[in-house]
Amino acid sequence: GQSLEQPSEVTAVEGAIVQINCTYQTSGFYGLSWYQQHDGGAPTFLSYNALDGLEETGRFSSFLSRSDSYGYLLLQELQMKDSASYFCAVRSGGGSYIPTFGRGTSLIVHP
Amino acid sequence: KAGVTQTPRYLIKTRGQQVTLSCSPISGHRSVSWYQQTPGQGLQFLFEYFSETQRNKGNFPGRFSGRQFSNSRSEMNVSTLELGDSALYLCASSAARGTGNEKLFFGSGTQLSVL
Repeated sequence: GQSLEQPSEVTAVEGAIVQINCTYQTSGFYGLSWYQQHDGGAPTFLSYNALDGLEETGRFSSFLSRSDSYGYLLLQELQMKDSASYFCAVRSGGGSYIPTFGRGTSLIVHP
Repeated sequence: KAGVTQTPRYLIKTRGQQVTLSCSPISGHRSVSWYQQTPGQGLQFLFEYFSETQRNKGNFPGRFSGRQFSNSRSEMNVSTLELGDSALYLCASSAARGTGNEKLFFGSGTQLSVL
């Protein structure tokens, strides 16, 4: 089956850079997505990587290495409002094509 | 453009009852998927619909069912509720059918409490 591993919690200070890693085991991999969810809120899409390399969107960047089944989300110039849970997710094949999410990483940004 | 709307926002039921949750996708989106979220468990996929057809189903018992209407609105039903069904139920819509490069737009969810 499919599985994703990401750290349960990461802490950092305002203005810093933080990296949230995600490793996956899937069959028929199509791409890796990242979502942000604030407490009590809806998950919101951050980025998607289908090919190896870095995708940059403002302060957020996402990286994928298909050969290593590994990706990460990089958050720069951290702000207090970045305190949230971050989920990596894959769409995989193997006939079922079911979206699988990691358990989420709680990012705590300190002043 | 209005976002994904889920109703109701909160629901309290007792064991053995059944519940129906509703989801209105973003206008023009034909794909709707449902997820169960519990603390520390991430999002567990329930099922996905595209053009009124269930395309995929997650590993949940048959008590969990859903459907999609011709206007792309979707409902999910849970029968014979159990305490363990207490969770946040999220609906997401997308323009694509899930071929990989789709972006999921989530609703705020329905918080179900089973007493």
